[in-house]
Amino acid sequence: DQQVKQNSPSLSVQEGRISILNCDYTNSMFDYFLWYKKYPAEGPTFLISISSIKDKNEDGRFTVFLNKSAKHLSLHIVPSQPGDSAVYFCAASAGGNKLVFGAGTILRVKS
Amino acid sequence: EPEVTQTPSHQVTQMGQEVILRCVPISNHLYFYWYRQILGQKVEFLVSFYNNEISEKSEIFDDQFSVERPDGSNFTLKIRSTKLEDSAMYFCASSEGTDEAFFGQGTRLTVV
Repeated sequence: DQQVKQNSPSLSVQEGRISILNCDYTNSMFDYFLWYKKYPAEGPTFLISISSIKDKNEDGRFTVFLNKSAKHLSLHIVPSQPGDSAVYFCAASAGGNKLVFGAGTILRVKS
Repeated sequence: EPEVTQTPSHQVTQMGQEVILRCVPISNHLYFYWYRQILGQKVEFLVSFYNNEISEKSEIFDDQFSVERPDGSNFTLKIRSTKLEDSAMYFCASSEGTDEAFFGQGTRLTVV
């Protein structure tokens, strides 16, 4: 089941620069998208979400962009901080509550 | 800040034994979920629960699995007869509505 894909297993960014994490989806029924952050031995922590009626949502250093025609969303973190180093999961739902997760991208922010 | 709590943090059980994983969702939330993550794999949906019944379940959630909300605060996942391949991190989550779900810290289940 590859409905949500995060094609980059890892990303390394210098502190203070922008981190861009990408996610693609195949199910056109998805109408709600979320990003979660996960540290080892902890549960996923909700970061930011976007509904399909929007193309951008911003919360502090985090911005999510949605391109419905391309079935693509991205998470921008600026400026990146060492504490942002974690695994980032993209997730999507289709009119309900069940979340379909991507495989995750490991972000390393170097100081 | 309200949080989802799960117990135990780690459970070791012998193959064929029954296990019950426990969760206390956020108190005003109405939707409850179980997900699991096998080591090195994706977080996978198992089941959602609303209004005292299962609202959706995945193919993984077969007859060996059951969920229950025995009282006003707990939400449990029971695996009737564990198999080696049930070894995973099990995450409980809850949401107020059809929006973001909040996850617990997880229970690591090891079946030996």
